[in-house]
Amino acid sequence: EIVLMQSPGTLSLSPGERATLSCRASQSISNNLLGWYQQKPGQAPRLLIYEVSSRATGIPDRFSGSGSGTDFTLTISRLEPEDSAVYYCQYHVNPPPTWTFGQGTKVEIK
Amino acid sequence: QVQLQQSGPGLVKPSQTLSLTCAISGDSVSSNSAAWSWIRQSPSRGLEFLGRTYYRSKWYNDYALSVKSRITINPDTSKNQFSLQLNSVTPEDTAVYYCAGGHSTFPTWGQGTLVTVSS
Repeated sequence: EIVLMQSPGTLSLSPGERATLSCRASQSISNNLLGWYQQKPGQAPRLLIYEVSSRATGIPDRFSGSGSGTDFTLTISRLEPEDSAVYYCQYHVNPPPTWTFGQGTKVEIK
Repeated sequence: QVQLQQSGPGLVKPSQTLSLTCAISGDSVSSNSAAWSWIRQSPSRGLEFLGRTYYRSKWYNDYALSVKSRITINPDTSKNQFSLQLNSVTPEDTAVYYCAGGHSTFPTWGQGTLVTVSS
């Protein structure tokens, strides 16, 4: 089973700065079925990116995804105060049908 | 716009059965293009996919190996909803439980239910 490792654990940046979040897989993900979520306290996760680089409905274009193989990145180009949250990567493979989440990166806005 | 509304008890005794329901609006539980899942989140286990149900001319289920012996997910077409049953719960099953819609990723989520397993 592929394990997803996210880094850094916490990122502390100022508004307007660029945030780069990493998601590294223990084995190559060849099907590109990797997504990113944002979760704020007391809320359900919100899908930001699917299939590595496609933005979900209503997601601002300051959020972008990239990567291939074992290394994937979520970039927030210009941080806004409301971007303070925990961000998770997640992949899917079949067969057997498996959905796996990373442990999360917390983004703090100074 | 698809919306999911969860219901069910927030406290379950050890060894008993955890039961939650997720009502769907804006889509059908028996849609040939949808899939309906349960995911839980705890500090110790993070986000964990539990299982899903979907209809493709007949009903199918996929369950995570970690709970396969204890889990049942059932559709209810008369009420356009689906349910989760997790048997023989222990304190390790304490978590926030979410229902979700989607295939490889999950664009739609319920509001979450904190379920505590305690006597």
